[in-house]
Amino acid sequence: NAGVTQTPKFRILKIGQSMTLQCTQDMNHNYMYWYRQDPGMGLKLIYYSVGAGITDKGEVPNGYNVSRSTTEDFPLRLELAAPSQTSVYFCASSYSRGQGGVTNEKLFFGSGTQLSVL
Amino acid sequence: GNSVTQMEGPVTLSEEAFLTINCTYTATGYPSLFWYVQYPGEGLQLLLKATKADDKGSNKGFEATYRKETTSFHLEKGSVQVSDSAVYFCALAPLSGGFKTIFGAGTRLFVKA
Repeated sequence: NAGVTQTPKFRILKIGQSMTLQCTQDMNHNYMYWYRQDPGMGLKLIYYSVGAGITDKGEVPNGYNVSRSTTEDFPLRLELAAPSQTSVYFCASSYSRGQGGVTNEKLFFGSGTQLSVL
Repeated sequence: GNSVTQMEGPVTLSEEAFLTINCTYTATGYPSLFWYVQYPGEGLQLLLKATKADDKGSNKGFEATYRKETTSFHLEKGSVQVSDSAVYFCALAPLSGGFKTIFGAGTRLFVKA
């Protein structure tokens, strides 16, 4: 009954370093997402994936990369970390039965990764 | 474009008080509307949802009614408990491209014993 699992929970990076945030789900969901949450700003979509091998940019993709080689895993890569990437990152998943990607299904979230870039 | 606006927090209430958190939206067509709750140190979880006009979503004593005429989806609870202290997010999923759920900024609720 794990749901969506994110690692690590906390991380401090120096400017210019890189890292990968891991996300895995065990619900066989086809859709997966990465959001960032900044104080008072709600959640912004970074990248999403509608299935293995398919990814696309969200609202704030600059400075990030993703891959989706399996249904379960959706890692987020930060290259050349910058202070502007200090945030809380959430991975989420959902299952769509719709045609053409239309879905109103609820999202299942991981517990988040708090990242500071100093 | 699509957007969600919710009242700023924090909201501080005493136990057993009535709660209202306002949410209005802008969208084309008929989106689905959601309230998510985030407890300290956790990810968001769905609290309730409504998929068409005049639908009422409810869960754990919370309610919200999809009002198309006022483009609103206000969250209410008749008697809050300390355990309701959390951040509440209003969200919408457009009918087309519905995987791009759009969130409001969140409203933090503190409930005092």
